[in-house]
Amino acid sequence: NAGVTQTPKFQVLKTGQSMTLQCAQDMNHEYMSWYRQDPGMGLRLIHYSVGAGITDQGEVPNGYNVSRSTTEDFPLRLLSAAPSQTSVYFCASSYFGDNEQFFGPGTRLTVL
Amino acid sequence: AQSVTQLDSHVSVSEGTPVLLRCNYSSSYSPSLFWYVQHPNKGLQLLLKYTSAATLVKGINGFEAEFKKSETSFHLTKPSAHMSDAAEYFCVVSGKLAYKYIFGTGTRLKVLA
Repeated sequence: NAGVTQTPKFQVLKTGQSMTLQCAQDMNHEYMSWYRQDPGMGLRLIHYSVGAGITDQGEVPNGYNVSRSTTEDFPLRLLSAAPSQTSVYFCASSYFGDNEQFFGPGTRLTVL
Repeated sequence: AQSVTQLDSHVSVSEGTPVLLRCNYSSSYSPSLFWYVQHPNKGLQLLLKYTSAATLVKGINGFEAEFKKSETSFHLTKPSAHMSDAAEYFCVVSGKLAYKYIFGTGTRLKVLA
């Protein structure tokens, strides 16, 4: 199993550009989520999904969109990037009802 | 509501001495608690988890943590630090919705030679 994979590893954007961060898992996990990590703030939940077709907002959803058309994939879209979205983004997945989440390697995003 | 507080943002220890990383939590439900480690420019790796079984939890790489309900604490310990333990450590709580994690702000552990 590849586990949770994320692409790209690094990305630089200009203010106002859009992009999609990809996340995929091959463990047939129902639950997937996106976090952002900022210095001194730990990880904060952006959006999550409990299954295909079902998504909901986390703690810091503004400026981000998600969709879940398949069990395996959970892309995160930035519609109009802002410097405040400079961060490291982690995707995670778990079985529904299980406690342990598995994290991807992260995407480091810089918005100029 | 749930929350978690990591009491130290930075901890420095000498190699071979004990490690103590402190975590207090607040939860309206019977919590699950986790410690994750993040080495520089890496992802997060689960060290150990508490899910209402034994209150003393053993994890990987010699780490362990004790769940103390009366003190609402879940401190992480290791008897003897190794240089490879230098990393950032996150305490995490989840509760009624088991998959919704609340992260602490992290403790950066420095190990001195």
